[in-house]
Amino acid sequence: GESVGLHLPTLSVQEGDNSIINCAYSNSASDYFIWYKQESGKGPQFIIDIRSNMDKRQGQRVTVLLNKTVKHLSLQIAATQPGDSAVYFCAENTYNQGGKLIFGQGTELSVKP
Amino acid sequence: NAGVTQTPKFRILKIGQSMTLQCTQDMNHNYMYWYRQDPGMGLKLIYYSVGAGITDKGEVPNGYNVSRSTTEDFPLRLELAAPSQTSVYFCASSRNRDRLEQYFGPGTRLTVT
Repeated sequence: GESVGLHLPTLSVQEGDNSIINCAYSNSASDYFIWYKQESGKGPQFIIDIRSNMDKRQGQRVTVLLNKTVKHLSLQIAATQPGDSAVYFCAENTYNQGGKLIFGQGTELSVKP
Repeated sequence: NAGVTQTPKFRILKIGQSMTLQCTQDMNHNYMYWYRQDPGMGLKLIYYSVGAGITDKGEVPNGYNVSRSTTEDFPLRLELAAPSQTSVYFCASSRNRDRLEQYFGPGTRLTVT
């Protein structure tokens, strides 16, 4: 079946460096993508989203890039801080699936001081 | 706004017992969802609802039931609990088909022994 997966299960970066978290998706019909952050013991928190008619979207310290040619999604975090340590999930939606999101396994980001 | 609230936060059930996980949102969102998250894994959709009186199965519905009598509430019922249902359960909501970002509750940690 269709799935959303991540290239790396863990990522360790130095405080102040930029982080890049990657996500591969297999459903070329997906038209909406979301990144979530989940801190230990908490529910996922919405970070940023992007629709398939865009290739880049920026938020506060975060940028999401979408490459539909290779079905790849990435989340870039600028000047990574200790508070960014968490598990990051990408999720995708296809219009004919209604409001359902399909989540990837997640990447754990660890920020070293 | 409190957002999405879930009760209880923790629960231990014996095999064969039943319980209801409560979920309430005060954002007037039409769509609501129930997920389970096993250790080190992503979220799997159990059931979802696109409005009061309308529910549908997700990826892993077996052993669960839901109802949606009001816009605000979306309880999840576990009948005849089994050890395989040990997990963290998250409820989420989103506004509608045009605003799909989901907002999550804090989760319920359930152990079945």
